[in-house]
Amino acid sequence: SQQGEEDPQALSIQEGENATMNCSYKTSINNLQWYRQNSGRGLVHLILIRSNEREKHSGRLRVTLDTSKKSSSLLITASRAADTASYFCATDDRGSTLGRLYFGRGTQLTVWP
Amino acid sequence: DADVTQTPRNRITKTGKRIMLECSQTKGHDRMYWYRQDPGLGLRLIYYSFDVKDINKGEISDGYSVSRQAQAKFSLSLESAIPNQTALYFCATSDPVKLTDTQYFGPGTRLTVL
Repeated sequence: SQQGEEDPQALSIQEGENATMNCSYKTSINNLQWYRQNSGRGLVHLILIRSNEREKHSGRLRVTLDTSKKSSSLLITASRAADTASYFCATDDRGSTLGRLYFGRGTQLTVWP
Repeated sequence: DADVTQTPRNRITKTGKRIMLECSQTKGHDRMYWYRQDPGLGLRLIYYSFDVKDINKGEISDGYSVSRQAQAKFSLSLESAIPNQTALYFCATSDPVKLTDTQYFGPGTRLTVL
């Protein structure tokens, strides 16, 4: 079964609002990553947070990680119509094969102008 | 130029046909992956390869085979295509030296099996 699960499945907001997406996972990890996918395109890496980090920022992105709850959140501040995409979390599995990532089903974000 | 390329970008084929999807990369990464994406199911790993002599099955390898012809090339074959293999297929690479498993994706191949 998939390691990561995003919540909500779909999110619709207005430009300028903040968007928050959550990810839950099942096993111990070394790091957690977030990816973005524009419709029908390949995934693009956004940000990585290591298991010993609690928060990380990159531009308008803020990621948090709570290893005790096995959960992460991705916050996009001051969203723009161009942020419309699907967002996936991906984790490794500390007890399993290195080099493999496990992706969730994604959150579809729609930002209305 | 794109670092990870896939050919063809779109393919329509008939049940029972053998087809090959190709992936090439110029990133110099040792690790390569094939995923399929179905609506609502996210990405599922088909096969992966950590170097030229290494091939490993993923979650859903039945009905698929792969070939790692060189460090830069990783091909996915459907020996006898069936309609439920209709999906979006992605190739990805990663660099083990970075120790982060960050993956770099190609643009995808949209495959339709009639």
